[in-house]
Amino acid sequence: NAGVTQTPKFRILKIGQSMTLQCTQDMNHNYMYWYRQDPGMGLKLIYYSVGAGITDKGEVPNGYNVSRSTTEDFPLRLELAAPSQTSVYFCASSRSSGGPQETQYFGPGTRLLVL
Amino acid sequence: GDSVTQMEGPVTLSEEAFLTINCTYTATGYPSLFWYVQYPGEGLQLLLKATKADDKGSNKGFEATYRKETTSFHLEKGSVQVSDSAVYFCALKGGSYIPTFGRGTSLIVHP
Repeated sequence: NAGVTQTPKFRILKIGQSMTLQCTQDMNHNYMYWYRQDPGMGLKLIYYSVGAGITDKGEVPNGYNVSRSTTEDFPLRLELAAPSQTSVYFCASSRSSGGPQETQYFGPGTRLLVL
Repeated sequence: GDSVTQMEGPVTLSEEAFLTINCTYTATGYPSLFWYVQYPGEGLQLLLKATKADDKGSNKGFEATYRKETTSFHLEKGSVQVSDSAVYFCALKGGSYIPTFGRGTSLIVHP
């Protein structure tokens, strides 16, 4: 099991460029999440998905889009990158059937710098 | 809504010192409580969890007890090592299945 994988590990974008952060999990988890982590600010939820074809906004969705066409993949799209989107992005997944006690599994993160 | 409050860091200790990181929460119902650890340059990983009142979660020498009467889930370790240096996140998950995280507490352990 590779768990949750994310690509790329690091990226520099110019203001106004777009990119897609990739996330894949091989644990057959229904729930997937995207977070951003700013220094000293903990994790903020961007978007989440409870299954293929179903996504919903989290706390900070502006400037981002997601899709979930398969159980395994949950890409995050940045349109018109802005310096405020400089952050570390984490993808996570969890089982849904076990209830609230289910653990989240995190990927290694993508560090994004917008200049 | 749900919320988690952690003590601010950094917490700086010498090796073999006793560690406590405080965590209190606000939630409706009976949430599950978690501690996650983030080592430098890595993603978060589960350290321990407790799913009901008075449960004690434990792993790698760390312990935390689910105290409903004080709405707390404090993390403790009797003797820290340099390798425990990391950021520790307290989290809860209730009926919505969307977890709520604290802001994280950085631990620095000196030899």
